[in-house]
Amino acid sequence: DAGVIQSPRHEVTEMGQEVTLRCKPISGHNSLFWYRQTMMRGLELLIYFNNNVPIDDSGMPEDRFSAKMPNASFSTLKIQPSEPRDSAVYFCASSRPGTTSPGELFFGEGSRLTVL
Amino acid sequence: DAKTTQPPSMDCAEGRAANLPCNHSTISGNEYVYWYRQIHSQGPQYIIHGLKNNETNEMASLIITEDRKSSTLILPHATLRDTAVYYCIGVPSGNTGKLIFGQGTTLQVKP
Repeated sequence: DAGVIQSPRHEVTEMGQEVTLRCKPISGHNSLFWYRQTMMRGLELLIYFNNNVPIDDSGMPEDRFSAKMPNASFSTLKIQPSEPRDSAVYFCASSRPGTTSPGELFFGEGSRLTVL
Repeated sequence: DAKTTQPPSMDCAEGRAANLPCNHSTISGNEYVYWYRQIHSQGPQYIIHGLKNNETNEMASLIITEDRKSSTLILPHATLRDTAVYYCIGVPSGNTGKLIFGQGTTLQVKP
């Protein structure tokens, strides 16, 4: 089975540009999570969706960040305008419905963002 | 959610058992202990979880003390591919997957 698919794997952009990261969760999974990883702060949850509805976006750094999930098989994380401090690896993860293991997430390979 | 404490780094000889400790003295009764690992440049990978009883799967064993204040992840025969950062995470039973990752333990498996 295909795992969580993220694109692009690497993105280099200049400060002020818009960045869009994409995620395709595992088919049949109904929860989707966006995490960010930096050396300084480690892995942080930004936002998560359940059945395409945003449930908790308290981790979103500021208004420059937005996330959408228009359908069960696709989500985007957008940064506009981007800043150098947004440089990080962004991970998407999904989990199964009705699972007895609520903490079992399936992570993608990540999108490494560098903002110059 | 329980705060977990892990040693920052450990070494293990290839072929030997790797025993990774985790302290979670503030864990509540309905909180699971989950273990993940992250191999360099990859996404975190679920390993195992438990509540009260010891657990074993194809990847590892999890030993939880009777008072549930600490646990140990055991990789029975470590290989070089097990070199990674290992995270111990407390997850309430009603949690929807909102994991709080600490700094983890960097395990270096040496030939």
